Amino acid sequence: NAGVTQTPKFQVLKTGQSMTLQCAQDMNHNSMYWYRQDPGMGLRLIYYSASEGTTDKGEVPNGYNVSRLNKREFSLRLESAAPSQTSVYFCASSPRGGRSYEQYFGPGTRLTVT
Amino acid sequence: QKEVEQDPGPLSVPEGAIVSLNCTYSNSAFQYFMWYRQYSRKGPELLMYTYSSGNKEDGRFTAQVDKSSKYISLFIRDSQPSDSATYLCAMSARSGGYQKVTFGTGTKLQVIP
Repeated sequence: NAGVTQTPKFQVLKTGQSMTLQCAQDMNHNSMYWYRQDPGMGLRLIYYSASEGTTDKGEVPNGYNVSRLNKREFSLRLESAAPSQTSVYFCASSPRGGRSYEQYFGPGTRLTVT
Repeated sequence: QKEVEQDPGPLSVPEGAIVSLNCTYSNSAFQYFMWYRQYSRKGPELLMYTYSSGNKEDGRFTAQVDKSSKYISLFIRDSQPSDSATYLCAMSARSGGYQKVTFGTGTKLQVIP
């Protein structure tokens, strides 16, 4: 059981470049999430997918898009990267509905935008 | 004002000490109260959760929730160097069909051998 996996682990982008962060889970969870973590700001929700086929904006969605490819995979795309998007990005998954407080996190992607 | 407030520390204690980590919150709708542990350069992992008020114990860890004071605590007994990590409190409230989770900023703990 790998749990939640994320690729890549590290990435450096130039301003204006695009990239996609990949996330997969093997726990048969219904819900998946993308967070960013910045010093002093804690974890902030970018987008989430309550179930396959649905996605919703979180607290800080601007500059990002997501795709729930299937039940296992949830990707995050930066169309035109900006220095303000330098952060550590975490994907998480949870069982459905009432147990969505029980979140399992991946190891993170460290992104630097220059 | 943030919905969840957590002292960032760092908190440095000697091995074997009792550690007390705390969070306050302002949203009365929070139902589940969680503690996540995050080791350096790793993702957070769920340590414990409590539903509504009360205490919950798991080995050396005890979580307490006081909804009347909007205050939650995590106690670590006989602290070990392996407990050195950042501890994130988190709380959730029902939003549509799921529990929306709000995280604290984390308290960094160092246990000195």
